[in-house]
Amino acid sequence: EIVMTQSPATLSVSPGERASLSCRASQSVNNNLAWYQQEPGQAPRLLIYDASTRATGIPARFSGSGSGTEFTLTISSLQSEDFAVYYCQQYNNWPPYTFGQGTKLEIK
Amino acid sequence: EVHLLESGGDLVQPGGSLRLSCEASGFTFNSYAMNWVRRAPGKGLEWVSGIDGRGFTTHYADSVKGRFTISRDNSRTTLYLQMNSLRAEDTAIYYCAKVRVGPSVGRDMFDSWGPGTLVTVSS
Repeated sequence: EIVMTQSPATLSVSPGERASLSCRASQSVNNNLAWYQQEPGQAPRLLIYDASTRATGIPARFSGSGSGTEFTLTISSLQSEDFAVYYCQQYNNWPPYTFGQGTKLEIK
Repeated sequence: EVHLLESGGDLVQPGGSLRLSCEASGFTFNSYAMNWVRRAPGKGLEWVSGIDGRGFTTHYADSVKGRFTISRDNSRTTLYLQMNSLRAEDTAIYYCAKVRVGPSVGRDMFDSWGPGTLVTVSS
């Protein structure tokens, strides 16, 4: 099973600033990596798939990069609605599909 | 617009059983694999089970294998999860999730999710 590790666990950033979230895989997942956003009490929302492709309707301020074992989600200018928990997920080696433990993005 | 709605979550005693349902609309249901994903209190997301579009191929996480059964009724556009021998560690919000690409369980991610249903296993 591939283990996904996200860092940091919590990231404090001011609105309007840039945020970078990291995700590391225990072995190569090529570019088969997705990012999800989950606001409190809401369902997860797909943001990025194939490591760098934005899902339908996702604003351009969200971008993904990386391949192999190291990945980054960048939010270029934080809006109030962006403060949430973010998860990465690999779908290269399955079953099982595996998620990171999440990064909570909070207002500084 | 894709719409997924889970139901069936409840408080159940350890060793008990529960069946979750997920009603789907807004897409050709039998053309997509479907999955169950859960989030336990204070923890991250955990994939539970997946089923292909025709309902012939299923996969399970080791933590639920032999206790949970995923199925689907394409005529009712509904996904199910039969949960037996429930344990305290099964306490979680359970989400149904549609894959992005097609009918096979494979290299795919989840592009639509329901709001979830809460399962609590406690005496």
